[in-house]
Formats: sequence, C-alpha cells, structure tokens
Amino acid sequence: GAGVSQSPRYKVAKRGQDVALRCDPISGHVSLFWYQQALGQGPEFLTYFQNEAQLDKSGLPSDRFFAERPEGSVSTLKIQRTQQEDSAVYLCASSNRDIRGYTFGSGTRLTVV
Amino acid sequence: QQPVQSPQAVILREGEDAVINCSSSKALYSVHWYRQKHGEAPIFLMILLKGGEQKGHDKISASFNEKKQQSSLYLTASQLSYSGTYFCGTRLILRDNYGQNFVFGPGTRLSVLP
Repeated sequence: GAGVSQSPRYKVAKRGQDVALRCDPISGHVSLFWYQQALGQGPEFLTYFQNEAQLDKSGLPSDRFFAERPEGSVSTLKIQRTQQEDSAVYLCASSNRDIRGYTFGSGTRLTVV
Repeated sequence: QQPVQSPQAVILREGEDAVINCSSSKALYSVHWYRQKHGEAPIFLMILLKGGEQKGHDKISASFNEKKQQSSLYLTASQLSYSGTYFCGTRLILRDNYGQNFVFGPGTRLSVLP
C-alpha cells in the first residue's frame, strides 16, 4: 500500500479484556516496529521485526504483550488482560532494510476503562 | 538512554527562527528528526548519519556532532505549518554493533503564531 495502515483507529476495552491491534506496513518494507506513545510523550519502543523474525522485544512492558508477523508482512500486537496503564496510542512504523527513515501509521488509540 | 531535548516548548511568530537541540549520553550511530501534529502520525524529516553532517530541505536543516553526541534542528523563517511537536530519534552504537531500535526524545512543542 501507499502508507502504513493501522486498525482499528480507536479501541475502548474493559479492564481485563484482550485486544488485538493490526499493522499493515508499506509493501516491501522489511523492518517493522511497534511503539507505545503516552499523551504528551515521545514514542517508546516495544518490539522490532525483520521480515517474520522478531529480533528485539526488549521494550514489551510485560508478558501480557505479544507481537507477531507470521508471513513477514502484516503484524498484530496483542495485549492480554488489559490494564488501565495500557491506555496509549500504539504506533506501527515500517522501513526498508537499512532503516533510513520510518514511515509511521496513524496509530491505534487504546483506552482501557 | 532517552535523549534530552531542549527547549521543551517554544512559541514563535511567523517568520522567526528556532533551534531545537537533542543530546545523548550514549554514542550515536545516527539521528532522525520527526514532526508530529496533534492526533497524527510522526512524519520523517531527515536522518543524519555522520559526525559533523548537516542536512536540510526547504528552510529546515539539521546538524549532527558525533563527538558531542548532539544534534540540532534549525527552522528558519518559520511558517504556520511548522507548528507541531518535534522529536529526535537516536540510534545507538552498542559495542561493535548498533541498536536495532530508535530511542525517541520527549519532544519539543513548537507553536508558530501569525
């Protein structure tokens, strides 16, 4: 596609509910990143994929967070048993192999009530 | 590991200049600059790869001092469209390799008034 597409745009979840956030990167982009952005803060790294391989997941805040990219294209970020502190905008970005600049999606705003 | 950005916020009149600074306590492989408008995705502005490198397009330019682990973004003759939050993203040098992820600064909120 022309850009990075994320869905849903907004998600309201009850505390304890599981959610799945989808990212469709730019076609041909090898690298895919997930970031969490709290209100008024810079994006914070969650995890990184190169093709289908998850090379770095050091930013995932707990074992409730899980990401996958099984065919090296679309990626899903899953959050189990959501907590209020999970409320944030989740940004996905993709890049070509040498990572000379990210293209971000518009993000998914998750609100846990 | 998060870089420090200064100032936190700046208000300008249209046509004025501004400088936003980004500094890191760790050795840097590269620095990216992004602009984000409220409710929108960050937009890539430029990347600086080498120490002492300067880049620019239109009236926005940046420098990267590898030895000082600092980068500065220069906005000249600012336009209303320059308003937004500017983030630097730093890619670290880790031992003999470099970090696969970027660490973003907290952002500098720029407001350009008519």
